[in-house]
Amino acid sequence: GDSVTQMEGPVTLSEEAFLTINCTYTATGYPSLFWYVQYPGEGLQLLLKATKADDKGSNKGFEATYRKETTSFHLEKGSVQVSDSAVYFCALSGSQGGSEKLVFGKGTKLTVNP
Amino acid sequence: EAEVAQSPRYKITEKSQAVAFWCDPISGHATLYWYRQILGQGPELLVQFQDESVVDDSQLPKDRFSAERLKGVDSTLKIQPAELGDSAMYLCASSLVRRASEAFFGQGTRLTVV
Repeated sequence: GDSVTQMEGPVTLSEEAFLTINCTYTATGYPSLFWYVQYPGEGLQLLLKATKADDKGSNKGFEATYRKETTSFHLEKGSVQVSDSAVYFCALSGSQGGSEKLVFGKGTKLTVNP
Repeated sequence: EAEVAQSPRYKITEKSQAVAFWCDPISGHATLYWYRQILGQGPELLVQFQDESVVDDSQLPKDRFSAERLKGVDSTLKIQPAELGDSAMYLCASSLVRRASEAFFGQGTRLTVV
């Protein structure tokens, strides 16, 4: 079945450091790809998405490019802030029984220190 | 700003007891989802409703879990009897259209079974 593998955490960075969180996927067909963020004490929020190969999703300084050849969707940010501390989930969407279904990775906890 | 409401935020229960969680989706959202998020894992869909009808409960352990959305608005997820392995975060989400990636998530109910 469809699956998502993302780099193990936790990741600890200093403010203004460069961030990369790796994500690879296995899927039949051509799924859409997503990054979700979960801030402490809050629900999941969609951070960015890409719906086809070579698309780049971006939001709040984060970006990720849908790479079909490497089945990857790595999350990057050039300069992280303390407020970016959260858990980040990579996900893909598949179709099952006519409904879109999300498959999530295990999550990567990011801590940014001042 | 409209949000998905869940209660309680935290619940501790003894194994073999019954426990229930409540979710009030964003007004007008016809699609409602219940996810289970075990510590260190990504969310996994338990059940999806379209209005009052279940459209996907393939991952719901039906021997002990039940879910209902009687009037197509709020929803209750019940576990009876609870087992130690049920300790997790239970997330509710809702969407205007039948696309999981368009859903808004609540803050979740953290269940601890002792």
